[in-house]
Amino acid sequence: ELKVEQNPLFLSMQEGKNYTIYCNYSTTSDRLYWYRQDPGKSLESLFVLLSNGAVKQEGRLMASLDTKARLSTLHITAAVHDLSATYFCAVALSGTYKYIFGTGTRLKVLA
Amino acid sequence: KAGVTQTPRYLIKTRGQQVTLSCSPISGHRSVSWYQQTPGQGLQFLFEYFSETQRNKGNFPGRFSGRQFSNSRSEMNVSTLELGDSALYLCASRLTSGTDTQYFGPGTRLTVL
Repeated sequence: ELKVEQNPLFLSMQEGKNYTIYCNYSTTSDRLYWYRQDPGKSLESLFVLLSNGAVKQEGRLMASLDTKARLSTLHITAAVHDLSATYFCAVALSGTYKYIFGTGTRLKVLA
Repeated sequence: KAGVTQTPRYLIKTRGQQVTLSCSPISGHRSVSWYQQTPGQGLQFLFEYFSETQRNKGNFPGRFSGRQFSNSRSEMNVSTLELGDSALYLCASRLTSGTDTQYFGPGTRLTVL
């Protein structure tokens, strides 16, 4: 059974600081996704990572994928308050469209 | 282009009743997936439909069912509601080519009393 673990679960950080959210998964997958969810809102797609070594960047967020280690990271550079949200990674079971989500990381950026 | 729409947005039911939720995908998207989000269990995959066929199913009891119509709109039904079914139900649609990104609707907040 595919399990997806994220850490940390909660993250409180000062504006301007850098931090990394980790997403580990337990079995082979060929697709990994990162989403953002604001309180009371739906999920917004951030990144799709499809191959080993893939790196995607958008603004202050950068995601990477290491399929051998079964690990993805979401790195936050020089955090700003607007990045406060819950971030989810999701992994698709290989060859299927069944997606397993991580527990989410609730990020709070303090001014 | 209009996003994924879900109706109703909020619903209150009592135990034992049944409920039907609706999802209209983005135009051109033929795959629709459903998820349940609760504070305790997080986001859990319910099922995925493509071209009116259920292709993938999560680990939910048979009380949870769904269907997809020829215009790709989808419905999910929960029968014999239990208190634990209170959740945000999210629908996501996907273009079945390219980056495979899912686009989520605003969700239906179901409260079971």
